Amino acid sequence: DAGVTQSPTHLIKTRGQHVTLRCSPISGHKSVSWYQQVLGQGPQFIFQYYEKEERGRGNFPDRFSARQFPNYSSELNVNALLLGDSALYLCASSSGQSASGTETQYFGPGTRLLVL
Amino acid sequence: AQSVTQPDIHITVSEGASLELRCNYSYGATPYLFWYVQSPGQGLQLLLKYFSGDTLVQGIKGFEAEFKRSQSSFNLRKPSVHWSDAAEYFCAVGEGHNAGNMLTFGGGTRLMVKP
Repeated sequence: DAGVTQSPTHLIKTRGQHVTLRCSPISGHKSVSWYQQVLGQGPQFIFQYYEKEERGRGNFPDRFSARQFPNYSSELNVNALLLGDSALYLCASSSGQSASGTETQYFGPGTRLLVL
Repeated sequence: AQSVTQPDIHITVSEGASLELRCNYSYGATPYLFWYVQSPGQGLQLLLKYFSGDTLVQGIKGFEAEFKRSQSSFNLRKPSVHWSDAAEYFCAVGEGHNAGNMLTFGGGTRLMVKP
């Protein structure tokens, strides 16, 4: 079975531009979470979506947005890019079906974004 | 707000030696605790997790971790390190009803293994 897939793998943008990152969860998984990992730091939670609805949002500006599609894939959008947005963006999926939310998340390989 | 501290940024051990990576958390209620490993160019792989019950948790690749509430710690251990264990290790905590899906990570510990 395929794991979590993300596209593109690498991306170079300039300041002020917009970027869209894509994530396909493991088949059967309905929850997708997004994390930002700046070089040398741990991942930081951005969003979680379940059944196309936002379930959680981290401490990120409104320039960051996301959505989930009927097939449970997801997009992360970042507007008005800043140099500080350069990072590895990780997507993780889980079944989302645990009442306690304690199911395991599986991470994709990430999209490395460089903002010049 | 919850937080996770990994005091050691880098650790170097000899192959075959034992390993302990430290993790301290700050969280008011019972935390859900995780250890992930990240190899260069790879995503994160779950090593083990603690939700409740036995405070000594066994994971994959021969790793284990012990939850100590009195010390707010969840240290990762391995009795004999292999060269393939060289990677970055992240401790994470989840909160509340959606603990597994909205994680707070520590800054990571980079493990280097000497031959």
